[in-house]
Amino acid sequence: ETGVTQSPTHLIKTRGQQVTLRCSSQSGHNTVSWYQQALGQGPQFIFQYYREEENGRGNFPPRFSGLQFPNYSSELNVNALELDDSALYLCASSTQTQDTQYFGPGTRLTVL
Amino acid sequence: QQQVKQSPQSLIVQKGGISIINCAYENTAFDYFPWYQQFPGKGPALLIAIRPDVSEKKEGRFTISFNKSAKQFSLHIMDSQPGDSATYFCAASLGGETSGSRLTFGEGTQLTVNP
Repeated sequence: ETGVTQSPTHLIKTRGQQVTLRCSSQSGHNTVSWYQQALGQGPQFIFQYYREEENGRGNFPPRFSGLQFPNYSSELNVNALELDDSALYLCASSTQTQDTQYFGPGTRLTVL
Repeated sequence: QQQVKQSPQSLIVQKGGISIINCAYENTAFDYFPWYQQFPGKGPALLIAIRPDVSEKKEGRFTISFNKSAKQFSLHIMDSQPGDSATYFCAASLGGETSGSRLTFGEGTQLTVNP
């Protein structure tokens, strides 16, 4: 186990709704990255948070947003859900001085 | 733009055999290359990683071979076991404080080790 936790485990939403996913980083890690993994594909980088600010973003629209809190935990928010948002959402924690990222178990989001 | 290409998509190996998965990258600025193992319903778990100043790295039954001039790297699993059956992902990142270490993943290889 990596010590990275995510909640909830599973989530079912309908198109147009909003969702918030949560991640607690490994002890001592100050950086959280979020990835989207569609079925049968590799994870795609959404964005990263460091010192409570967004520190890099992948090719995702603005309706994907996030937060990082002083305890380094993080939230991923997705507005106006689309069917294609159905995926496993992974968070990974790390430090800014090391390249290794440790992943949580993910949140499986299904959009109907 | 797919910056990391992985092959094969699926691989079947007999117990005790060698599993070999290959990846090719495009961005010569990448300087950190990890391999992750993922079981169904789980998050990816780091297996082994390498930097371009080393041509080979071995940890237990897992070995990464790295060819900087060819922009290719591969994972070798020696003495493959049924418990190794999982999806394997190669990845690459720029590394360093300026990049934030965002990982670019390959498409994955579904490995099945038959008993």
